[in-house]
Amino acid sequence: KAGVTQTPRYLIKTRGQQVTLSCSPISGHRSVSWYQQTPGQGLQFLFEYFSETQRNKGNFPGRFSGRQFSNSRSEMNVSTLELGDSALYLCASSGGAVTSTGELFFGEGSRLTVL
Amino acid sequence: GENVEQHPSTLSVQEGDSAVIKCTYSDSASNYFPWYKQELGKGPQLIIDIRSNVGEKKDQRIAVTLNKTAKHFSLHITETQPEDSAVYFCAASREYGNKLVFGAGTILRVKS
Repeated sequence: KAGVTQTPRYLIKTRGQQVTLSCSPISGHRSVSWYQQTPGQGLQFLFEYFSETQRNKGNFPGRFSGRQFSNSRSEMNVSTLELGDSALYLCASSGGAVTSTGELFFGEGSRLTVL
Repeated sequence: GENVEQHPSTLSVQEGDSAVIKCTYSDSASNYFPWYKQELGKGPQLIIDIRSNVGEKKDQRIAVTLNKTAKHFSLHITETQPEDSAVYFCAASREYGNKLVFGAGTILRVKS
């Protein structure tokens, strides 16, 4: 069974640009969550999508947005990039249903560097 | 807001010794407490979790204890091995696996 796939794995952008990151969850998983990981702030929750609807949202500015498609694949977008957006962006999938185990399966992340 | 404090930030042990990592959470409504292990260049991986209706859970060399009154939970690794070296994160949430609030992480080094 394939794991969570994130693309691209590495990217470099300049301030003011925008970026789109993609995540393909484990087959059958309907929930996709996004986390930002930085040395200073650690792992912080961005948002969670379930069946194409945003179910939970973290405390990030509106420059951070996401969406989920009917096949459960998800994208997140960051507009008007700032230096502080440099981070590892992790996507995690889970069954998402109340009866699921709750385990999150993380991808290897997309490392964004903003210059 | 919700907060999870994790200690220590680094931990070095000799192979075969035990390691203990402790976390304290602030949101009394939290009811799900997972522990994740992250190896270099990889995403975090769940190693064990516990729900609020259970005080202790064990899986081979790994155990987790939960004290809801004190709002803290701990990870215990016995008979540590070099492959246990990684960063460990505790987390808390109000629901199964969603909107996890993570601790800052503990770098565990097991010396052989």
